[in-house]
Amino acid sequence: QLQLQESGPGLVKPSETLSLSCSVSGGSISSSSYYWGWIRQPPGKGLEWIGSIYYSGSTDYNPSLKSRVTMSVDTSKNRFSLKLSSVTAADTAVYFCASIAARTYFDYWGQGTLVTVSS
Amino acid sequence: QSALTQPASVSGSPGQSITISCTGSNSDVDGYNYVSWYQQHPGKAPKLMIYDVTNRPSGVSNRFSGSKSGNTASLTISGLQAEDEADYYCSLFTSRGTYVFGTGAKVTVL
Repeated sequence: QLQLQESGPGLVKPSETLSLSCSVSGGSISSSSYYWGWIRQPPGKGLEWIGSIYYSGSTDYNPSLKSRVTMSVDTSKNRFSLKLSSVTAADTAVYFCASIAARTYFDYWGQGTLVTVSS
Repeated sequence: QSALTQPASVSGSPGQSITISCTGSNSDVDGYNYVSWYQQHPGKAPKLMIYDVTNRPSGVSNRFSGSKSGNTASLTISGLQAEDEADYYCSLFTSRGTYVFGTGAKVTVL
């Protein structure tokens, strides 16, 4: 069973870049069966897909965030990462990483990490 | 892409059945069988309950079932229990390789 764990700063200043990593255990990030994704949830609001990546480095991003998002994968460390640039208070949210089975559904999730954008 | 539309709240008494709908803005749900459902308790990560419209992962109670008719997918919870009180989200994997979530439905057990 896969386990995912997010890590990164809990506080980011406006206009700076938010950087998070997701460590994967219990399986290989190079598995052909999985894509890997980031999802966020502003306090008291619903879920929003940010982007997804395959172990080859192929990415898909939410069109509404595409200009600010970069995702990468490090197969040697079995982890993948998210960078979101030019953040504002609207980017304050709990950020979840998740595995995506058959490229269609999110089957395992990290516990989530709260990122607050504030000066 | 617009979020899928779900009712804000659904309630029922213990033992009853309830259904949560998930409607697309165009023919996106109708044309694709990649609808999944997630249960989220407060302060917790979402949990996969249904995938590919009707499939239930191992370990998920058979009280949860999924279906689709036209552009609306549905999650039915039968034999409602107190532990089912949570937020529920649908999700769609689209033909463009993107994902869209529903607006979320809060289930209350009366």
